[in-house]
Amino acid sequence: NAGVMQNPRHLVRRRGQEARLRCSPMKGHSHVYWYRQLPEEGLKFMVYLQKENIIDESGMPKERFSAEFPKEGPSILRIQQVVRGDSAAYFCASSPKGDTEAFFGQGTRLTVV
Amino acid sequence: AQSVTQLDSHVSVSEGTPVLLRCNYSSSYSPSLFWYVQHPNKGLQLLLKYTSAATLVKGINGFEAEFKKSETSFHLTKPSAHMSDAAEYFCVVSPPDNLFFGTGTRLTVIP
Repeated sequence: NAGVMQNPRHLVRRRGQEARLRCSPMKGHSHVYWYRQLPEEGLKFMVYLQKENIIDESGMPKERFSAEFPKEGPSILRIQQVVRGDSAAYFCASSPKGDTEAFFGQGTRLTVV
Repeated sequence: AQSVTQLDSHVSVSEGTPVLLRCNYSSSYSPSLFWYVQHPNKGLQLLLKYTSAATLVKGINGFEAEFKKSETSFHLTKPSAHMSDAAEYFCVVSPPDNLFFGTGTRLTVIP
């Protein structure tokens, strides 16, 4: 049973480009969480999704950021018109239910140049 | 409302001495509580979890944590630090349907 898979592991984008981060949850997991870890800071919650639904997006910036978790395929975190401040590690986690332990991917390290 | 406070941003111990990483939480529900560890340039790994069973929870690599409801604490301990324990540690509270992270404690182990 493969773990949570995130790709790419490293992503470099120029300012103004779009970044698409992918997260394939563990088999049988229908809950996905996205977190951002800024340099020298802790993990900050961004969004919580179940299949085809956004449950809680209170941690998502109102502009340029969006997330989806379609019926088929991975969850996608999309950042439009990236800026230098978006440079961070983005972690995805999945769980079978909302109150059980989450399993984390290795993260995607986004660098905006 | 849910929140997690890790009382120390950095902890430094000598190899072979005890480790104490402090965590206090607040939750409107009876929460589940977790400790995760993140080694440099690595993902997050679950160390241990509390889910309303025994209040003393044993995890991997010799770590354990005690849930104290009266103090709303879930401190992480290890009797004897090893060099490989140097990492960032996150305390997490989970009411239903989400995970809330503390800001992390960076553990340094001095040889």
